[in-house]
Amino acid sequence: LAKTTQPISMDSYEGQEVNITCSHNNIATNDYITWYQQFPSQGPRFIIQGYKTKVTNEVASLFIPADRKSSTLSLPRVSLSDTAVYYCLVGDENTGGFKTIFGAGTRLFVKA
Amino acid sequence: KAGVTQTPRYLIKTRGQQVTLSCSPISGHRSVSWYQQTPGQGLQFLFEYFSETQRNKGNFPGRFSGRQFSNSRSEMNVSTLELGDSALYLCASSSGGARVGTEAFFGQGTRLTVV
Repeated sequence: LAKTTQPISMDSYEGQEVNITCSHNNIATNDYITWYQQFPSQGPRFIIQGYKTKVTNEVASLFIPADRKSSTLSLPRVSLSDTAVYYCLVGDENTGGFKTIFGAGTRLFVKA
Repeated sequence: KAGVTQTPRYLIKTRGQQVTLSCSPISGHRSVSWYQQTPGQGLQFLFEYFSETQRNKGNFPGRFSGRQFSNSRSEMNVSTLELGDSALYLCASSSGGARVGTEAFFGQGTRLTVV
């Protein structure tokens, strides 16, 4: 069972770049790394997903080193509305299926 | 493209009763997963259904059950409700392909309060 560890909370200021690192030492060969964002009383929202090296989309970048034992979500120029909980998860390899295990997440608080 | 729809949004039940929650996935998605979220335990995986079959199951007691219909809509049922079952229940749909880590789309959730 691939487990993730990430900081419980982080503070930042508007306009700064935020990097949230997640460790997943037992990641399996076929596992992908996925990040979700969740606002209070809403379901999590997909941010980005990757397997190795670097992935970039319109909202974030994901850096994955060669050993894949960790990953870093990078949010450029955060705003107040980026205050949320960010979850790092790896696909739990299970024969014929997919089981998403969410960790505790990182509570990001963006200040003005 | 419509998103994941969960009904009802809010529910109040009494201890000992049972409850059924509904989830309509995104059109074309065959996998539906259910999660329980509480302040103390965070997001916990309940079970996943794919093509009407339970494919994965979390560590919840047998009071929690689910099913999926041929149109991929899913229901979860909790019998003999306990106060600790008060939570936000989230449903997520995905294409359910063999690739692990497929993006899941979550609904707004059903807020269940047990009194």
